[in-house]
Amino acid sequence: TQLLEQSPQFLSIQEGENLTVYCNSSSVFSSLQWYRQEPGEGPVLLVTVVTGGEVKKLKRLTFQFGDARKDSSLHITAAQPGDTGLYLCAGENRGSTLGRLYFGRGTQLTVWP
Amino acid sequence: EPEVTQTPSHQVTQMGQEVILRCVPISNHLYFYWYRQILGQKVEFLVSFYNNEISEKSEIFDDQFSVERPDGSNFTLKIRSTKLEDSAMYFCASCGGGPGETQYFGPGTRLLVL
Repeated sequence: TQLLEQSPQFLSIQEGENLTVYCNSSSVFSSLQWYRQEPGEGPVLLVTVVTGGEVKKLKRLTFQFGDARKDSSLHITAAQPGDTGLYLCAGENRGSTLGRLYFGRGTQLTVWP
Repeated sequence: EPEVTQTPSHQVTQMGQEVILRCVPISNHLYFYWYRQILGQKVEFLVSFYNNEISEKSEIFDDQFSVERPDGSNFTLKIRSTKLEDSAMYFCASCGGGPGETQYFGPGTRLLVL
């Protein structure tokens, strides 16, 4: 079993603050995907990182894949109430024939106005 | 923008009954998946499907579960005899290019077994 641990589990901050969410594993992944999930809905992809050390930016969101491809982080600058949601990381192991994803438990982010 | 759709959005059934959850993947995708999420827990892989056969299944996907692509558009998950512990959100996902490609998730079917 390939485990992905996300931290923190819950994060409650004020609008305008910065935050970082972490996704860690002892396993190597061929790629790692970050999703955002709203209550009662399916995960919506934010970004996929593939190369060790890769950094991707999506407006105020910055995603980094660790050099060893075992961990990743999501940094949000100047958080807004619209950023509120459940952030999930999911790793894919190239050894899996069809891209089975292993999900973390998620970080529930609440941004207060 | 193309999207994965799932029906029904909610299903309530009695323990021991059969349920069929339906998914319409994105039209040009070839790789299909089912995941489930028990309330408060992580999203878990059930099965992957390609070229009309199961490619990989998890330990959750026992003999009570089956998948089918009965025509060119639908992808179904059948649970033969539901158990209380099958209550969960079931998500279908599809992907155009296999490993490393983005998996697009449907909105889910909330299954409640009484």
